[in-house]
Amino acid sequence: QKEVEQNSGPLSVPEGAIASLNCTYSDRGSQSFFWYRQYSGKSPELIMFIYSNGDKEDGRFTAQLNKASQYVSLLIRDSQPSDSATYLCAVNRDNQGGKLIFGQGTELSVKP
Amino acid sequence: EADIYQTPRYLVIGTGKKITLECSQTMGHDKMYWYQQDPGMELHLIHYSYGVNSTEKGDLSSESTVSRIRTEHFPLTLESARPSHTSQYLCAGRSAGNTIYFGEGSWLTVV
Repeated sequence: QKEVEQNSGPLSVPEGAIASLNCTYSDRGSQSFFWYRQYSGKSPELIMFIYSNGDKEDGRFTAQLNKASQYVSLLIRDSQPSDSATYLCAVNRDNQGGKLIFGQGTELSVKP
Repeated sequence: EADIYQTPRYLVIGTGKKITLECSQTMGHDKMYWYQQDPGMELHLIHYSYGVNSTEKGDLSSESTVSRIRTEHFPLTLESARPSHTSQYLCAGRSAGNTIYFGEGSWLTVV
């Protein structure tokens, strides 16, 4: 079992819809979680992070964390074609000095 | 942000050559990381450092080596490049806010 798992996609949504990206992790001791966006040929850029159970909103993005289920998700409201990218879930190995372990990423395609 | 700078951005080099990928940061961060990513594939941690004279190997075995003589610099070296080393190498630093930011990456092609 991979430490961080995501559906590779591609996930296709129409413009204006809500895109839902999911991620599960295996280390129950993980405390901090990150979502990155990566455009083709570019380096990952941080979208948001979440430490506490529940929802965290930032503009059109909402991260959701459920530590009991070892599940973290990212919702993108009012999806735009410019949101088309690969979304990477990352989990911090807090007990190992903060190494960030990435999932394989979910490719999102927003159709106009 | 962490302001991570990588050079060169693109490098094409012959088999057997020695190469060094430079990574620098201006924010005084202790923790720095090197990730390797093939096109369309996962990011894999290959090296990390918690500070000067501290380096550790990551989860993915790599023939590269790193050094951390100064806080600002975290170079990655391949003593003898091979075509299997062709990949994108991403340097990252951990900010005071405990988040990791990436440089723009170095694309290495070994022919």
